[in-house]
Amino acid sequence: QVQLVQSGAEVKKPGASVKVSCKTSGYTFTSHGITWVRQAPGQGLEWMGWINTHSYNGNTNYAQNFQGRVTMTTDTSTSTAFMELRSLTSDDTAVYYCARDINWNPDYWGQGTLVTVSS
Amino acid sequence: QTVVTQEPSLTVSPGGTVTLTCASNTGAVTSSYYPIWLQQKPGQAPRALIYSTSNKHSWTPARFSGSLLGGKAALTLSGVQPEDEAEYYCLLYYGGAYVFGTGTKVTVL
Repeated sequence: QVQLVQSGAEVKKPGASVKVSCKTSGYTFTSHGITWVRQAPGQGLEWMGWINTHSYNGNTNYAQNFQGRVTMTTDTSTSTAFMELRSLTSDDTAVYYCARDINWNPDYWGQGTLVTVSS
Repeated sequence: QTVVTQEPSLTVSPGGTVTLTCASNTGAVTSSYYPIWLQQKPGQAPRALIYSTSNKHSWTPARFSGSLLGGKAALTLSGVQPEDEAEYYCLLYYGGAYVFGTGTKVTVL
């Protein structure tokens, strides 16, 4: 069965970076892209970006709000996607989700990773 | 800035029918926006219900249906069950980027 398992909760200081992983299984990793979404406490969902998982491609689309501060990558050898967010502030405290996505269809979702930014 | 608007909250009786809508400030929502609907319960990850306007996943209950209605994307719940109480989000595609709707809290009472 398709599974996306994310890395554990993180606590970071302002100005630091965080890298969240999303390990996939149960399907061909390079046949679907990965979308990243976050949700601040008590708030709605916010789209962060998408990465093509083809090893020869790996192109990305980032939301304007995160341009220059986020990098999405993949490791096809372990079927894992990564999302790194830099220059963290308290506004980045949120649950971060990955989702398998092909043809505008984010179907299977990870369980979420809580990132807390606090001094 | 692109804004996607949903009803903040709706209340429906068990067994009843409710329709949620999803509007874009850029104009009418069409199938080219590939409307997606997600359900989220407290403390859980979102669960995909509908993609490309009206297509259901294998796990989507038959009582959920998606459509376009009056220039908006719509999600209709027919024969609502108590377990349908949740937050519902639409997601629209704007040529390279997605934008989430503001979310609708559905209460079953």
